[in-house]
Amino acid sequence: NAGVMQNPRHLVRRRGQEARLRCSPMKGHSHVYWYRQLPEEGLKFMVYLQKENIIDESGMPKERFSAEFPKEGPSILRIQQVVRGDSAAYFCASSLSQGAPGFNEQFFGPGTRLTVL
Amino acid sequence: QKEVEQNSGPLSVPEGAIASLNCTYSDRGSQSFFWYRQYSGKSPELIMSIYSNGDKEDGRFTAQLNKASQYVSLLIRDSQPSDSATYLCAGGGNYKLTFGKGTLLTVNP
Repeated sequence: NAGVMQNPRHLVRRRGQEARLRCSPMKGHSHVYWYRQLPEEGLKFMVYLQKENIIDESGMPKERFSAEFPKEGPSILRIQQVVRGDSAAYFCASSLSQGAPGFNEQFFGPGTRLTVL
Repeated sequence: QKEVEQNSGPLSVPEGAIASLNCTYSDRGSQSFFWYRQYSGKSPELIMSIYSNGDKEDGRFTAQLNKASQYVSLLIRDSQPSDSATYLCAGGGNYKLTFGKGTLLTVNP
């Protein structure tokens, strides 16, 4: 399967615990984006990463949220001390390198549904 | 604040009809526009991208872009029940996409 992979697909956490969401981009893609979708709301941009670099994190809450895309391995979105308001679907998307045809077409993974009890 | 507005819907059309979905955007700097389809409980699926003024056709789908009016639309010809989904309009620059809230389309057999 050459698509964007995310795991886990469903994650249940109690308030105060940590949530780690993983994303492996599509083969050949080097740009990763994280979005959050709350019930009845649109997709909201959170962060844009390339390997070992955070390019734009303007959509990330200032506290408790962090993201990384290491040289080896998947991108990780980490939420510390989760609260009920963090319950949402978190989607990862990936795209080609800039300059490639269609480079800014973003393809989404299946998402992680986070439920905070 | 950059915004993308979609006609709120829901939109209901009979099978075989043309479904018309509309979107306006506030950021004149936006260069790229996309339509995604999202089935309930699933992830967004890219169905069309458009970068230049005019029409772009792909099978039963036609995207239209008018940068002067800051308007994007998607026409679905010969609508099928399997087209029933929420359609998301997105616009952006080099990487950051702003999404509308989506329009729920129902195609009735």
